[in-house]
Amino acid sequence: AQSVTQPDIHITVSEGASLELRCNYSYGATPYLFWYVQSPGQGLQLLLKYFSGDTLVQGIKGFEAEFKRSQSSFNLRKPSVHWSDAAEYFCAVAPNRDDKIIFGKGTRLHILP
Amino acid sequence: EAGVVQSPRYKIIEKKQPVAFWCNPISGHNTLYWYLQNLGQGPELLIRYENEEAVDDSQLPKDRFSAERLKGVDSTLKIQPAELGDSAVYLCASSPRGAYNEQFFGPGTRLTVL
Repeated sequence: AQSVTQPDIHITVSEGASLELRCNYSYGATPYLFWYVQSPGQGLQLLLKYFSGDTLVQGIKGFEAEFKRSQSSFNLRKPSVHWSDAAEYFCAVAPNRDDKIIFGKGTRLHILP
Repeated sequence: EAGVVQSPRYKIIEKKQPVAFWCNPISGHNTLYWYLQNLGQGPELLIRYENEEAVDDSQLPKDRFSAERLKGVDSTLKIQPAELGDSAVYLCASSPRGAYNEQFFGPGTRLTVL
């Protein structure tokens, strides 16, 4: 069965610093990959998704993610974080477009002023 | 455009009591999902509807959980009786027909069972 691993439960960065959140998946073929963000008391919002094509995907709020097949990874990056980026980030995978989405356990991002 | 609406936002009940959550999806979205999110975990799918038909309810604990979407629009998720372990956030999401990877989530209902 496919799964997704987010190895970091908490990440703390200073405002203005760069950010990378890690995500690894286990699945033979190239799955559909997603990053969602959840602010406190809010539902999940889709940041970006990858289905095929260019392995560097641009999303909303200045985020990007890179698909690396050889490493089974889909890491999320942002060059300069803002205090408003403090939230929980979920990586997710689906084997194909008709299958349910499996979410990782999330990484909580803390921003230092 | 209004997003996915859920109510109530918070609910506190005693164990063995019944509880119901309501969800109104984005207008025109045929597919509706209910997810369970335990503390420190990602969401887990409970049930997926295509219009009024439950097409995937394999993860719904049917001994105490039930759901309905009678007219293919809004939906209700019920727990009867609630147990302590049901304390969690219940998320509703919707997507256009066939676009299972374009899900829009509501704010969720946080349930506390005492």
